[in-house]
Parts: sequence; C-alpha cells; structure tokens
Amino acid sequence: AQSVTQLGSHVSVSEGALVLLRCNYSSSVPPYLFWYVQYPNQGLQLLLKYTSAATLVKGINGFEAEFKKSETSFHLTKPSAHMSDAAEYFCAVSLGNQGGKLIFGQGTELSVKP
Amino acid sequence: DTGVSQDPRHKITKRGQNVTFRCDPISEHNRLYWYRQTLGQGPEFLTYFQNEAQLEKSRLLSDRFSAERPKGSFSTLEIQRTEQGDSAMYLCASSLVGTLTGELFFGEGSRLTVL
Repeated sequence: AQSVTQLGSHVSVSEGALVLLRCNYSSSVPPYLFWYVQYPNQGLQLLLKYTSAATLVKGINGFEAEFKKSETSFHLTKPSAHMSDAAEYFCAVSLGNQGGKLIFGQGTELSVKP
Repeated sequence: DTGVSQDPRHKITKRGQNVTFRCDPISEHNRLYWYRQTLGQGPEFLTYFQNEAQLEKSRLLSDRFSAERPKGSFSTLEIQRTEQGDSAMYLCASSLVGTLTGELFFGEGSRLTVL
C-alpha cells in the first residue's frame, strides 16, 4: 500500500531563509505526488503536483519540488521564506487507479521568524 | 465564488447526539470526497462518490457514519450517537473525472466538537 512520511512535524526558519520540507513516499507503482498548504481555519490549497512529466515541479508562491525516484522523495523548497508562508504543509500521494483518493502525510508546520 | 462549500463551519454537540454536515462541490465536479482531520494529523480518507454512487468507504467509517449524495450534487455526512473521539475537522473535496487524478479542491471544513 502507498504511504507518505513527512520528516519533521515542525520547521522554523527566518524570513528570507531557505525553506526545505521533506517528504518520502512508498508506492509500488509510479505515483502522482502533491503538496497542499493549509492556513489556520481554512481548507487545503494545492501548491504543486508531480505527474510523471518534469521531475522539477514549480508551484504557486515561489515553491518548487523535485521528484527523485531513487530516493523516493518529493521535498518542497522555497529559496526565500516570507512571513505569509507560515502554515501547515501536507505531502500526498495518489495512484491513478483508485478514484483519485489521496493519502496524506502527517503534515509539517512551518513557522517564519522575522 | 464557486468553490467547495461546507455547512456548518462549526458544530458543538453533546455526546450521543446526531449531527449532519453538508457539502456542496464545485458544480461541474462529479467526484466528491470526505476526509477527517484531527489535530496535528493529516487528512484521513473516509469515503468518495462518483456522481450518486458511493464507490469506496474507509474502515474508519464506522456504522455510526453514513454519507449520501442522492442526486449527484451535494452530499451529507451524518454521524449518529456521537462520541468524543468523533471530534475533528471534516473536510469535503471535489474533482472532475478526466482531469489529473488526485487534484482535489477542498472546502474550508466543518469542525465538530463533541462534549
């Protein structure tokens, strides 16, 4: 069965610093991979997605992620953190033959210090 | 705004009472999903519909939970005889068959507190 592991339940960075949120997946077939962001008391918003095209995926708000099959990873990065990036980030995996169901990681809370 | 809407946003109830949540998906979306999210955890899949057919239910969905989508548009999630362990955020999402699998559009959720 597929699964997602996010390393680090909480990450704190200074404004302007690099953001790195880690995600490893387990899947027996090539997966679709996603990063979602959740602001307090709001639903989840899609940041970016990997669909077996380019391994480096660019998303909204300056975020990007790189799919590395050999490492079964899909880490999320942003070169320079902004205060508005403070939120909960979820990595998710989907198999194409399961009706679009997403399996989520436990999430990483990102704090940005001024 | 034509995004996914959920009602109510917050519900406080006493243990043993029944509660019902409603989800209105994006109008042209034919798939609808329910997830549950507890504090500090990622969303957990509960069930999903394609049009009016309920195609999959998680083992998390006990007999006290029932979901419907009678006309293939809005959906309801009912919890009977609520327990304190049911306290969570209930998220609804929708998608369109034929678009990229897994690109779900989420509502803002319905937060349930069972006293």
